[in-house]
Amino acid sequence: QVQLVQSGAEVKKPGASVKVSCKVSGYTLTELSMHWVRQAPGKGLEWMGGFDPEDGETIYAQKFQGRVTMTEDTSTDTAYMELSSLRSEDTAVYYCATGVAGGWFDPWGQGTLVTVSS
Amino acid sequence: EIVLTQSPATLSLSPGERATLSCRASQSVSSYLAWYQQKPGQAPRLLIYDASNRATGIPARFSGSGSGTDFTLTISSLEPEDFAVYYCQQRSNWPGPTFGPGTKVDIK
Repeated sequence: QVQLVQSGAEVKKPGASVKVSCKVSGYTLTELSMHWVRQAPGKGLEWMGGFDPEDGETIYAQKFQGRVTMTEDTSTDTAYMELSSLRSEDTAVYYCATGVAGGWFDPWGQGTLVTVSS
Repeated sequence: EIVLTQSPATLSLSPGERATLSCRASQSVSSYLAWYQQKPGQAPRLLIYDASNRATGIPARFSGSGSGTDFTLTISSLEPEDFAVYYCQQRSNWPGPTFGPGTKVDIK
C-alpha cells in the first residue's frame, strides 16, 4: 500500500520560500498522481494543485498560480511543493495526498507545519 | 467555483447514537462527492467516494447517500473513535476540487 512521509516543520520569514517534500513508499511516484492540500490553523482544507493524469500536466489552483511549484524526483520517489513570497496567511499544515479514481485523495501524508512569522 | 455548505457545524451525540451529517453544493455535482474524517493532529482519511461507496477498510456503520446538490453521511451507531471532524469534497468541476467547512461530531 502507498505510504507518504513528509519533511519536518518549517519556520520562515515573510517574503521567503519554503519547499516541502513527500517521500513515497509502496509504489513508485510514476504510478501515482500527487496533490497538495493545505489547512490553516483551526480551518478547513484547501486544494493547491496536483498532477492531472488525463493531461499529463501539473495543475494549480488559481489562487496559487505564480507562487507555487510542484515537482517530482522519480529517482527517489519524492514529490516537492515550493511556495514563494510567503505571508502570514500561508501559515498552515501542508499535506501531500494521492489522487485516486479521478479526484479523491487517499492516502495522505502526515502533514508539514509551515509557520510564517517575522 | 462550487461552494459546499455543511450542517450542522457541530453535532453533539453520545456513543451508540446515530449521526446524520449534511453537505449541500451550490450547483449540481452529480455523484462526485466524497467524505473525509479528520481527528485532531491527524491527516484526513477518505471514508466515502462517489457519494455512496465506502473506501477500503471503512466500517459498514458509515454510509453515504445523495446526488445533485444534497448529500448525507450517516454513522449508524457512533463508536468512541468516530468523534472527529468530517469534511465533504466535490470533484465535479475538475480541476478545482473544493471542500466543505466541516462538521465536528463531539461527545455529548
